[in-house]
This record gives sequence, C-alpha cells and structure tokens, in this order.
Amino acid sequence: KAGVTQTPRYLIKTRGQQVTLSCSPISGHRSVSWYQQTPGQGLQFLFEYFSETQRNKGNFPGRFSGRQFSNSRSEMNVSTLELGDSALYLCASSLAPGYNNEQFFGPGTRLTVL
Amino acid sequence: DQQVKQNSPSLSVQEGRISILNCDYTNSMFDYFLWYKKYPAEGPTFLISISSIKDKNEDGRFTVFLNKSAKHLSLHIVPSQPGDSAVYFCAASAAGGTSYGKLTFGQGTILTVHP
Repeated sequence: KAGVTQTPRYLIKTRGQQVTLSCSPISGHRSVSWYQQTPGQGLQFLFEYFSETQRNKGNFPGRFSGRQFSNSRSEMNVSTLELGDSALYLCASSLAPGYNNEQFFGPGTRLTVL
Repeated sequence: DQQVKQNSPSLSVQEGRISILNCDYTNSMFDYFLWYKKYPAEGPTFLISISSIKDKNEDGRFTVFLNKSAKHLSLHIVPSQPGDSAVYFCAASAAGGTSYGKLTFGQGTILTVHP
C-alpha cells in the first residue's frame, strides 16, 4: 500500500507570492491533517479535513487555507507569502474521523520564501 | 503555552542498552498519546500509541508507559540499535470536536545510539 505522497517536495518562492501544496492520503484514509514544522515552533497543527469539510483549524492567519476533494486528496494554499512561512509542511492521513487515530505522515514539502 | 513537553533535547546511549525518552503534558483533556520517529528531510514515522485507559503498551522493542496522575509518559527502546538514531516526538490528542485531526507535539528529543 502506497504511503502519503506530497508534491512538490521542494519549493522556492518570493515574498508576496502564493503557493499551493498537494497531498494524496493513503488509500482508504479519509481524514487529512496539515502541519507546519519550523525550528522555532516545532510541529504546529494547521487544519484537518474530512469529507471535503474543514473540521478543525489551528492558530494560523487566514492566508493559510486548504481544501479536500471527493477522492480525499487535499491541497493547502498560502497567499501573500512572508519570510516566516519558510518551513516544512507536512500532510498526515488517518483511517477514520475520530480523534484517537494514528496519523501517517508524508515526506513533506520544504518551502523556502526569499 | 507548551502543552506537551520533552525536556531533554538530546539523549546519547550505547548500542544494546535501554533508551528512555520522556514526555510531560499539562492538558488533562489529552487521552491518547503517540510517539513518532523522524529522520531529517522525512516525515514523522508512527511508532507506538497508548490510550489513557492503559498504563503500558508494548510493540517489539518499543514500550510506552503512561502515568496519568503525573501527566507523564515515556518510551523505552530495548535494546537500542544505531538505526534508532533519530528525533523522537511525543504527541497527544484530546476528545471533542475541536480536536479532530489535531495532534499536539512536543519539541522532540534527538536520540543518538553509539555502536
């Protein structure tokens, strides 16, 4: 069974631009969560999607948004990029929509904002 | 507010010995805990989890212990192998709709296992 895939793996953008990251969950997994990892803040929860609905959102500005498609694939978008958005963005999928489920992570997208 | 804390940034252990990684939490609503291992430039890999109704869970060389009264959990790796060298993250989740899909992570502990 293929794992969680994320594209692209690396991305370089300049301030003010916008970016879209993609995540394909493990087959059969319907919940997708996104996290941001930075050296200073560690792993921080961005949002979670299930059945094309955002059910939970972390403490991030509205520039961070996402969506989920009917096949459970998800995208996240960051608009008006800032230098501080440079981070590893991780997508995780889980089988069921409950809270006590193991999440399986993809390799991440390394975003660098210049 | 750091709700999940891993107070040891690093741990060095000899191959074959036991590695003990610790994690403390402050949010009494947390009732499910997970450990992940992470190599550089890769996503975290799930290792083992434990529900708050248990105090121990074992999977091969990995055992997680939970002390609810102390709000403390630990991961034991026995015996430690050089391939275990990685960053280990403790994570927690809570019941309730506002916690859907949300794991709260500690800052991680770098484990180095020397041959």
